[in-house]
Amino acid sequence: GAVVSQHPSRVICKSGTSVKIECRSLDFQATTMFWYRQFPKQSLMLMATSNEGSKATYEQGVEKDKFLINHASLTLSTLTVTSAHPEDSSFYICSARDSPNYEQYFGPGTRLTVT
Amino acid sequence: GNSVTQMEGPVTLSEEAFLTINCTYTATGYPSLFWYVQYPGEGLQLLLKATKADDKGSNKGFEATYRKETTSFHLEKGSVQVSDSAVYFCALSDRSGGNEKLTFGTGTRLTIIP
Repeated sequence: GAVVSQHPSRVICKSGTSVKIECRSLDFQATTMFWYRQFPKQSLMLMATSNEGSKATYEQGVEKDKFLINHASLTLSTLTVTSAHPEDSSFYICSARDSPNYEQYFGPGTRLTVT
Repeated sequence: GNSVTQMEGPVTLSEEAFLTINCTYTATGYPSLFWYVQYPGEGLQLLLKATKADDKGSNKGFEATYRKETTSFHLEKGSVQVSDSAVYFCALSDRSGGNEKLTFGTGTRLTIIP
């Protein structure tokens, strides 16, 4: 089946620094990737949608200058949290799909802790 | 806007018990409905889906029927196993605006006791 990986699985960073999270589709080409954020005991909230080679589309309320998304190839998307603050601590999940009619395949998530 | 409401957990059942996890939705148009499952340490996996009213999705003994009149998509299984312990998410997809988005419920943690 389709596999999506994320790296790192956990990261701890200091306030004010930036951290990059990678999302890779291992056995298919992902024309579209999605980034979600999940708070404890809450649902996944879509942050942005990225199509390969074009700028990401951010959901209302998501700061595009803080959460930089790059989808430079058909197998890799990155989320960079810039100037991280403790309130950015969360579980970040990516998903990928290879066609508008196909399902999204989810990565295992990245736990970010900002101290 | 779209929203999904599912029963709060955690839910604890004995092996071979009957399972129901309620899910209701609010959406404009005609969304597709999904159940995803997340096993410990893994990503969300699609469990089953239904794309139109009265469709029944089924997989691994789980079933859910798309009920437009009650805007519901309840998940059921007749006899649960310890291996079914996981977090279950109800979701809908909305293709309005030409871009398919998933809206999730808050998830229900299910624990099955031997």
